[in-house]
Amino acid sequence: SQQGEEDPQALSIQEGENATMNCSYKTSINNLQWYRQNSGRGLVHLILIRSNEREKHSGRLRVTLDTSKKSSSLLITASRAADTASYFCATGGLGGYQKVTFGIGTKLQVIP
Amino acid sequence: KAGVTQTPRYLIKTRGQQVTLSCSPISGHRSVSWYQQTPGQGLQFLFEYFSETQRNKGNFPGRFSGRQFSNSRSEMNVSTLELGDSALYLCASSLTGGDSPLHFGNGTRLTVT
Repeated sequence: SQQGEEDPQALSIQEGENATMNCSYKTSINNLQWYRQNSGRGLVHLILIRSNEREKHSGRLRVTLDTSKKSSSLLITASRAADTASYFCATGGLGGYQKVTFGIGTKLQVIP
Repeated sequence: KAGVTQTPRYLIKTRGQQVTLSCSPISGHRSVSWYQQTPGQGLQFLFEYFSETQRNKGNFPGRFSGRQFSNSRSEMNVSTLELGDSALYLCASSLTGGDSPLHFGNGTRLTVT
């Protein structure tokens, strides 16, 4: 079963625009991670935010975490065609080395 | 450093057969996790191994099994294949599991006919 659920499931934008993807989860977590997957390939880790952090930046990526609402958002600024991919949030539960579970993903298309 | 290597890249099997998939983690990584990815279900967690011990397990039938060797390489086995087992099987390694970011291989595409 999925822990996280991304929204929207698909997003199409023009190059240069910002893309925002949201993730909601069900149980308390230690951390939340975002990954990118290009078609038919493995996932690539983008960023990890811990449960005691509210916001984190990495290059053109900005991630927020609201543990009271059990939700996170990933913002990609000034999108490029190369950002076209599926984006997944992943959560690890409390209590040591818990398994990491993924959402269904948001499929982002950036139109040149 | 070499990335996570999964072999084979593609497999075609018949219902009822069994299959073994292999995963070589990044050097120094002791945790290896396996995921099944299908269009309808997304990524489903199969199991995680750490230092040759299964540490976490997902909700898959006993036909799905795995193991990890002393060099951290891992294999997963699926017996009595069903059509529904057709999927992309992804292996991911991390230093310790838990908070450590996962590094994925490019997967094995299994087709069951």
